[in-house]
Amino acid sequence: GENVEQHPSTLSVQEGDSAVIKCTYSDSASNYFPWYKQELGKGPQLIIDIRSNVGEKKDQRIAVTLNKTAKHFSLHITETQPEDSAVYFCAASVSSNTGKLIFGQGTTLQVKP
Amino acid sequence: DTAVSQTPKYLVTQMGNDKSIKCEQNLGHDTMYWYKQDSKKFLKIMFSYNNKELIINETVPNRFSPKSPDKAHLNLHINSLELGDSAVYFCASSPNTGDYGYTFGSGTRLTVV
Repeated sequence: GENVEQHPSTLSVQEGDSAVIKCTYSDSASNYFPWYKQELGKGPQLIIDIRSNVGEKKDQRIAVTLNKTAKHFSLHITETQPEDSAVYFCAASVSSNTGKLIFGQGTTLQVKP
Repeated sequence: DTAVSQTPKYLVTQMGNDKSIKCEQNLGHDTMYWYKQDSKKFLKIMFSYNNKELIINETVPNRFSPKSPDKAHLNLHINSLELGDSAVYFCASSPNTGDYGYTFGSGTRLTVV
């Protein structure tokens, strides 16, 4: 069935270092891959997304790469700051065009000052 | 103005009770969703509506009943609450079923005692 695997489950980095979170998906018809950031006590917030016709997208310190052949995509955060500490979720669209997203298990990122 | 607002934010209730959670969006979106986030932070879709029409009904106990009086509102009613229903419930909206750019509400933490 539809599945998204996300690794690592926890990630601790020093301020200023880079952080990378990886996801793999099972549905070869998935064509939309968003990343969400969830801070404590809040709802997930969309931070960047990529569509299947694009291999890479960047927005300031955040970038996402997509490898459709291997069915995996990654989030890269450079020059991490303490305010980047949160839970990050990847997701993939389901081929049925119902608006449904399948989420990964989440990565808790801790940026140490 | 909050884009997607949920009420209440916290709900503590006894087993066997019936409760409702309300959601409203002012983004003009056509599609609304209910997601459940369990204690391990896993996000799973429950229902979606597109312009008041039920689109997705995942494998959810029939004690859960969504209602969409208009495209800006999506409510969730839960009958005969069980301990296992304790979770954070998130409402989200997107422009339509083909545009997956979700905006999430801040969540309702339901605790069944």
